[in-house]
Amino acid sequence: EVQLLESGGGLIQPGGSLRLSCAASGFNFRDFAMAWIRQTPGKGLEWVSAISAAGDSTYYADSVKGRFTISRDNFRRTVHLQMNSLGAADSGVFHCAKTSGGYVTSFYYFEFWGQGSLVTVSS
Amino acid sequence: QSVLTQPPSVSGAPGQRVTISCSGNSSNIGSGYDVHWYQRLPGAAPKLLIYLNTHRPSGVPDRVSGSRSGISASLAITGLQAEDEAEYFCQSYDSSLSASVFGGGTQLTVL
Repeated sequence: EVQLLESGGGLIQPGGSLRLSCAASGFNFRDFAMAWIRQTPGKGLEWVSAISAAGDSTYYADSVKGRFTISRDNFRRTVHLQMNSLGAADSGVFHCAKTSGGYVTSFYYFEFWGQGSLVTVSS
Repeated sequence: QSVLTQPPSVSGAPGQRVTISCSGNSSNIGSGYDVHWYQRLPGAAPKLLIYLNTHRPSGVPDRVSGSRSGISASLAITGLQAEDEAEYFCQSYDSSLSASVFGGGTQLTVL
């Protein structure tokens, strides 16, 4: 059974940093690209970032480019999202997702999602 | 404001058929990019419902179907059941944004 367990969320002041982690199990982790998707009450679902199976290609939404960094550890079966210079607009529930293939393509989709980790940016 | 447009809500009585639309433009669905659908039950993580426009993952009943035409796509659920009450999202790819994009979500209420 595929399981994705996010951690690292919390309350952070504007301008601060957080590092989200996602622990994966139940599938061949090193064979699949992984993604982070943010859910907010006002904007619904927003794709944030993705990383190829090998970790050699990374992709970011324009809204987080230059501030967020995605990485993965295929030995430890984890994917991380380092978030810097956080603002109120970054608040939301961050879901880790297993994608449908090894590469980030125009036709990939999100096969399994974690429950999410809540990030609240507020003073 | 989401890139893909969905109705905020739809409803139907048990046993009826409902459809949820997902409208895009020439940079996403209209360019032939595939559409995928997700279901989010209250308190649960989103679940893949339809992939590559029309395909159902294992475990999704055949009363759920998807289609795509032109700049839009649709999700249809026949034989509506109480367990179908959830929020539904469409997803595609947008070439002008170079990103996966989602619809704003549609809340399905079973009357």
